[in-house]
Amino acid sequence: RKEVEQDPGPFNVPEGATVAFNCTYSNSASQSFFWYRQDCRKEPKLLMSVYSSGNEDGRFTAQLNRASQYISLLIRDSKLSDSATYLCVVNRFNNNDMRFGAGTRLTVKP
Amino acid sequence: EPEVTQTPSHQVTQMGQEVILRCVPISNHLYFYWYRQILGQKVEFLVSFYNNEISEKSEIFDDQFSVERPDGSNFTLKIRSTKLEDSAMYFCASSADLADTQYFGPGTRLTVL
Repeated sequence: RKEVEQDPGPFNVPEGATVAFNCTYSNSASQSFFWYRQDCRKEPKLLMSVYSSGNEDGRFTAQLNRASQYISLLIRDSKLSDSATYLCVVNRFNNNDMRFGAGTRLTVKP
Repeated sequence: EPEVTQTPSHQVTQMGQEVILRCVPISNHLYFYWYRQILGQKVEFLVSFYNNEISEKSEIFDDQFSVERPDGSNFTLKIRSTKLEDSAMYFCASSADLADTQYFGPGTRLTVL
């Protein structure tokens, strides 16, 4: 089983749609969880951290289920500018060793 | 807003040559990292650095790689004898604290011919 596994995508959605990304991780000792976005040929940029209680930032909602080792990201009212690859990132032992999923590519179309 | 910077943006080298990739982390950050991303593949952790020494490294970070903080601002990754498979985007990142959010630089695209 891969350490961090994501829906491979791609997701092609119209503007205004709601889209959900899923991610699972294999190491139950993982401590910190993040969603990053990466535009084509650019660096990963933090979208949001993921907390046990779930958290929301505007149109973005992240959820964590430790028992199932599952993380999700929901984007509501998607915009053209949301088009990017979304990376699920897990910090394995509360140290510096971050592991990235392969990413899920999203294209939002007019 | 403070940011991580990297130079050069693109480096082309011949197989077997040494390359040094440079990074200037965010000034008040204490933890520094290198990652690589082969074209079309996922971002892979290489090494983390704290208090002037390596704190974690992955299986990719073999004897061909080394890191250094030669002065108070620069953080470098050296590849001693480049191979074709070292061709990738190399990202530097920094964080203020352990397991804190990591901020990435724009990357150096390394092409080994």
